[in-house]
Amino acid sequence: EDQVTQSPEALRLQEGESSSLNCSYTVSGLRGLFWYRQDPGKGPEFLFTLYSAGEEKEKERLKATLTKKESFLHITAPKPEDSATYLCAVQSYQTGANNLFFGTGTRLTVIP
Amino acid sequence: EAEVAQSPRYKITEKSQAVAFWCDPISGHATLYWYRQILGQGPELLVQFQDESVVDDSQLPKDRFSAERLKGVDSTLKIQPAELGDSAMYLCASRERDSYNEQFFGPGTRLTVL
Repeated sequence: EDQVTQSPEALRLQEGESSSLNCSYTVSGLRGLFWYRQDPGKGPEFLFTLYSAGEEKEKERLKATLTKKESFLHITAPKPEDSATYLCAVQSYQTGANNLFFGTGTRLTVIP
Repeated sequence: EAEVAQSPRYKITEKSQAVAFWCDPISGHATLYWYRQILGQGPELLVQFQDESVVDDSQLPKDRFSAERLKGVDSTLKIQPAELGDSAMYLCASRERDSYNEQFFGPGTRLTVL
């Protein structure tokens, strides 16, 4: 059965204080790993897709990396507007139907 | 920029009443998903459509939930009767046909059952 565990559950950073969010996964054949950002009361907003170990993608202050067991979302010099919940989701070949299996998210707060 | 539309944004209802949510996916997206997200958790898939056909509804509580996408474009999710435990955010997402790429989510409908 697919499993996704995100840590920490919550993270408070000072503005400019870099850190990383972790997503550990167990799937039978990873098709893709997805990162989304979700603001309170809104739908998830797509950030990145990673398909194979060693792959990296960047967008502004965010960088996502992937290994065979986990993914990291690195946040460099965060700003208050980066405050949100960051969701990780996996898509496996076994699950089929291209479904996404989500973790519970990391709630990030960036303090000015 | 194309977006997934959902309505209403908020719905308050009493237990045992019927509720319905509407979703209009991004134009041309053949695949449509309905998710339920309980506060503090990640979204969980309820049903997936490819055009007008249900591809996966294994997690849909069929005794009270129903979903349709009659013309393969917009979709409706219905709950009848609503229960207290149904209070959650209901999210719609869409994706291009035959793509393993990202799903695009709408703003969601926040349901509160009293």
